[in-house]
Amino acid sequence: QKEVEQNSGPLSVPEGAIASLNCTYSDRVSQSFFWYRQYSGKSPELIMSIYSNGDKEDGRFTAQLNKASQYVSLLIRDSQPSDSATYLCAVNIYAGNQFYFGTGTSLTVIP
Amino acid sequence: GAGVSQSPRYKVAKRGQDVALRCDPISGHVSLFWYQQALGQGPEFLTYFQNEAQLDKSGLPSDRFFAERPEGSVSTLKIQRTQQEDSAVYLCASSLGQGKGWYEQYFGPGTRLTVT
Repeated sequence: QKEVEQNSGPLSVPEGAIASLNCTYSDRVSQSFFWYRQYSGKSPELIMSIYSNGDKEDGRFTAQLNKASQYVSLLIRDSQPSDSATYLCAVNIYAGNQFYFGTGTSLTVIP
Repeated sequence: GAGVSQSPRYKVAKRGQDVALRCDPISGHVSLFWYQQALGQGPEFLTYFQNEAQLDKSGLPSDRFFAERPEGSVSTLKIQRTQQEDSAVYLCASSLGQGKGWYEQYFGPGTRLTVT
């Protein structure tokens, strides 16, 4: 079992809709969780970090963490064509220096 | 301010050649990470530095891979006797390594290595 699992997609949503991206992780002691956006041919760009159970909002983005279910998600409200990219979930194990990335979910926002 | 920079951006090596990839992290960032990203995959952890100390190199795929950060700033990833399976994008990331944002990593543009 991989440490971080994501649905590779592709996920397509119409412009203005909510895009929901999901990620599960295997290590129960994981403490830090991150969402990155990666445009084709570019490097990952940090969108959000989340460390505690619950929701964290930043503009159109909301990260949700449920440690009991080992699940982290990213909601993108009012999706725009410029949001079309691959979204990577990353997990850091407590007191460890290794970060595990999922394979990413490809999102397309249709104008 | 300036972000993470990497050089070269592209490198073509013949099988068996040695290559050196450079990373210049964000000024003041204590932590530095190297990743390997194959096409269609997420980044795979290679190694981690805190200042000049290499605290974790468990992700290096073989003893042909070597990384250093002698003065706690610029880092070099060296691959000896390159093989075709080494073809990938090599990403460097840095983070504050202290306080809030300890683990929030900022990536450089990457070096695309092609071994022929």
